[in-house]
Amino acid sequence: GENVEQHPSTLSVQEGDSAVIKCTYSDSASNYFPWYKQELGKGPQLIIDIRSNVGEKKDQRIAVTLNKTAKHFSLHITETQPEDSAVYFCAATKGNYGQNFVFGPGTRLSVLP
Amino acid sequence: DSGVTQTPKHLITATGQRVTLRCSPRSGDLSVYWYQQSLDQGLQFLIQYYNGEERAKGNILERFSAQQFPDLHSELNLSSLELGDSALYFCASSKGTSGNNEQFFGPGTRLTVL
Repeated sequence: GENVEQHPSTLSVQEGDSAVIKCTYSDSASNYFPWYKQELGKGPQLIIDIRSNVGEKKDQRIAVTLNKTAKHFSLHITETQPEDSAVYFCAATKGNYGQNFVFGPGTRLSVLP
Repeated sequence: DSGVTQTPKHLITATGQRVTLRCSPRSGDLSVYWYQQSLDQGLQFLIQYYNGEERAKGNILERFSAQQFPDLHSELNLSSLELGDSALYFCASSKGTSGNNEQFFGPGTRLTVL
């Protein structure tokens, strides 16, 4: 089955700097890659996603890139702010009937003021 | 606010007991998913229901069961509880049944087994 690795497990950046989190997946048939942000005491919240027919997607300060050949995708956050501090999870899925998300282990991002 | 509600927010119980967690999906969503989140295991998919029928099973123990009712709310039943069952349990919902629909997560139920 699918296996998703995520690096780094923890990341500290200065406010205003950029943060990059990388994920690799094992199943070349996976075609949907969402990123979730989980704040303390809350459920995961979708922040951006990308499908396999697209190489990059941006939404304001957040962008995701996908390299299907290498089977990895990355989350880029620019101009980080203290409210970006949270745990970020990547996930991958084939999207077929009955197939569900396989999540990465998470990255704890701390944005230092 | 994702629109997914879960009750209770916290649950403390003893080993060997049985508990029921409840989830109401977003309006219009037909799929409900259950996940377990523990410190050492991350987010683990347990089971999915679509319009009342089981659609997919993940790493769900035989002591755990779930169902989705005609009004689309879902319940996760955990029995013969063990210390290792202590975790956050999340419910998520989506419109469709395929795995690449956006899933909206509820706030979770924190289960503590003493």
